[in-house]
Amino acid sequence: AQTVTQSQPEMSVQEAETVTLSCTYDTSESDYYLFWYKQPPSRQMILVIRQEAYKQQNATENRFSVNFQKAAKSFSLKISDSQLGDAAMYFCAYRSGSNDYKLSFGAGTTVTVRA
Amino acid sequence: GAGVSQTPSNKVTEKGKYVELRCDPISGHTALYWYRQSLGQGPEFLIYFQGTGAADDSGLPNDRFFAVRPEGSVSTLKIQRTERGDSAVYLCASSMGGGSYNEQFFGPGTRLTVL
Repeated sequence: AQTVTQSQPEMSVQEAETVTLSCTYDTSESDYYLFWYKQPPSRQMILVIRQEAYKQQNATENRFSVNFQKAAKSFSLKISDSQLGDAAMYFCAYRSGSNDYKLSFGAGTTVTVRA
Repeated sequence: GAGVSQTPSNKVTEKGKYVELRCDPISGHTALYWYRQSLGQGPEFLIYFQGTGAADDSGLPNDRFFAVRPEGSVSTLKIQRTERGDSAVYLCASSMGGGSYNEQFFGPGTRLTVL
């Protein structure tokens, strides 16, 4: 079974500043996908960014980018130019590239944005 | 088009009662997933449907939990003899297919409270 660990229960960032969320995972597979999801108080999980393990280039989506270190099994999320709307719970998730379609989530990091 | 919808939004029941939680996936999505999210935790996989059949029910905690998807669209999660430990948010997700690359779109969840 895959384990996803988020060691930061809470992070606070000033509006317009940058915050980095940590995630590590444990797997013996070489083919897999990693995700960051955002969950606002509405409870709806929203996909923020995805990384395929076979790609060396770090994924970027507007103000969101990842630092994927495959050998270290690390997958951090950087939020640049933080906005008030970024305040939410963020979950790191793992999905096998083989016939195992479920997502395995970390415990989450609550991000607070200070005005 | 419409996203994944779940009803009811909130459900309060008494210990020992039977409950049904409904999920309406995005039209045309053949894959459907149920997850359970306990307070302060990340979602945990319960069951995965491909069409009408349960392709993976390894996450169901015990035989009090059962899910169906009789016509390959709407799914119902059924919990018998509810216990206080069943209190959680139950999330449903759907995707175009079951492949690992296909994005899972989540509904807003049903918050179940067992008194």
